[in-house]
Amino acid sequence: TQLLEQSPQFLSIQEGENLTVYCNSSSVFSSLQWYRQEPGEGPVLLVTVVTGGEVKKLKRLTFQFGDARKDSSLHITAAQPGDTGLYLCAGGRWPGGYQKVTFGIGTKLQVIP
Amino acid sequence: SAVISQKPSRDICQRGTSLTIQCQVDSQVTMMFWYRQQPGQSLTLIATANQGSEATYESGFVIDKFPISRPNLTFSTLTVSNMSPEDSSIYLCSVGGPLGTDTQYFGPGTRLTVL
Repeated sequence: TQLLEQSPQFLSIQEGENLTVYCNSSSVFSSLQWYRQEPGEGPVLLVTVVTGGEVKKLKRLTFQFGDARKDSSLHITAAQPGDTGLYLCAGGRWPGGYQKVTFGIGTKLQVIP
Repeated sequence: SAVISQKPSRDICQRGTSLTIQCQVDSQVTMMFWYRQQPGQSLTLIATANQGSEATYESGFVIDKFPISRPNLTFSTLTVSNMSPEDSSIYLCSVGGPLGTDTQYFGPGTRLTVL
């Protein structure tokens, strides 16, 4: 059983469309990170959210941390081919420490020109 | 953010052999981490490499199979020993982000295929 469930696992959309991917858990997290990983590369940090209900924006990407700190969403507006990649969420747990970070399986996004 | 390089970027190995993966960081860091990323599975922490002490292994991973070295504050190696096809995976090293956060910076990974 995955501690962090990501959905959908695969998503193929046309350039210009909007999309939302989800990261859900029954556990409470101290923080939640979103990473993007391109083929042949390691994950690259996009954002960290730490406060329940927090919303962060990064250009066309909007990240939200659930009020109960158990879930998060990533919304992309007007997707572009450069957004193609594997989106990973990761949750930190108390009492903290990198060894306590759990990763989801990821959402593989393909944006077709 | 830290800049991390790994060598080799990919390799194809025969069953029963061993491969050592190198990880170099552009700044001194206390802890380095080794992960495995298998197809369809989440990143799994193998061990934490601490300079000057033995690596700390996660449940399901043992030193005999994945020996780790950490000779200084900018370098670490992970060896995958006596390989089998089940060891085919991407191996990633990482370092922690700013203190008090759970963020990490990852290397580009080593894609290992065992025949």
